[in-house]
Amino acid sequence: QVQLQESGPGLVKPSQTLSLTCTVSGGSISSGSYYWSWIRQPAGKGLEWIGRIYISGSTNYNPSLKSRVTISVDTSKNQFSLKLSSVTAADTAVYYCAREPPSGYFDYWGQGTLVTVSS
Amino acid sequence: NFMLTQPHSVSESPGKTVTISCTRSSGSIASNYVQWYQQRPGSSPTTVIYEDNQRPSGVPDRFSGSIDSSSNSASLTISGLKTEDEADYYCQSYDSIISVVFGGGTKLTVL
Repeated sequence: QVQLQESGPGLVKPSQTLSLTCTVSGGSISSGSYYWSWIRQPAGKGLEWIGRIYISGSTNYNPSLKSRVTISVDTSKNQFSLKLSSVTAADTAVYYCAREPPSGYFDYWGQGTLVTVSS
Repeated sequence: NFMLTQPHSVSESPGKTVTISCTRSSGSIASNYVQWYQQRPGSSPTTVIYEDNQRPSGVPDRFSGSIDSSSNSASLTISGLKTEDEADYYCQSYDSIISVVFGGGTKLTVL
């Protein structure tokens, strides 16, 4: 059973960079033709896709966040990571990592981690 | 880019059938698969429908999905409603398989 777990600081100051890591267990991040995505959800609001990475290192980002987002992968640690720069209070949200198989839906999700942007 | 529009909320009684719509603002609803996710309070989303009308294993056949090109929309239908179905439901599709788009979500109340 594949499991994903987000980790990282729960509090980030405005204008700084938010950094989160997703650790994949129960399977190799390198096996299969999967994309690995980040999705966020502000309190009481809907889901917003941030971006994805393929094991080759190729990435796709939400056009509205593209200028501030970097997603990377570390196969040796079975992890992938998110960096979001120049954060504001509007970036306060629960951040999820998720697996996306070729069939094109998110089949496994992490439990989510709350990141608050505040001074 | 396009938007997926869902009703903010729907409600129905236990045992009844409810349908949640998801309308695509531009481009054909049939051009990219539509998925549906269920999210209970405090939990991560789970898939109830993928590829328009496919159910992952473990999802009861009370859940079904369809698309309607005439209205450019997708629908999630839940029959034999149970109180445990009360949750937020999100539709999701793709913009040219590059960008993921989510609907705004629908709160289902089973009363």
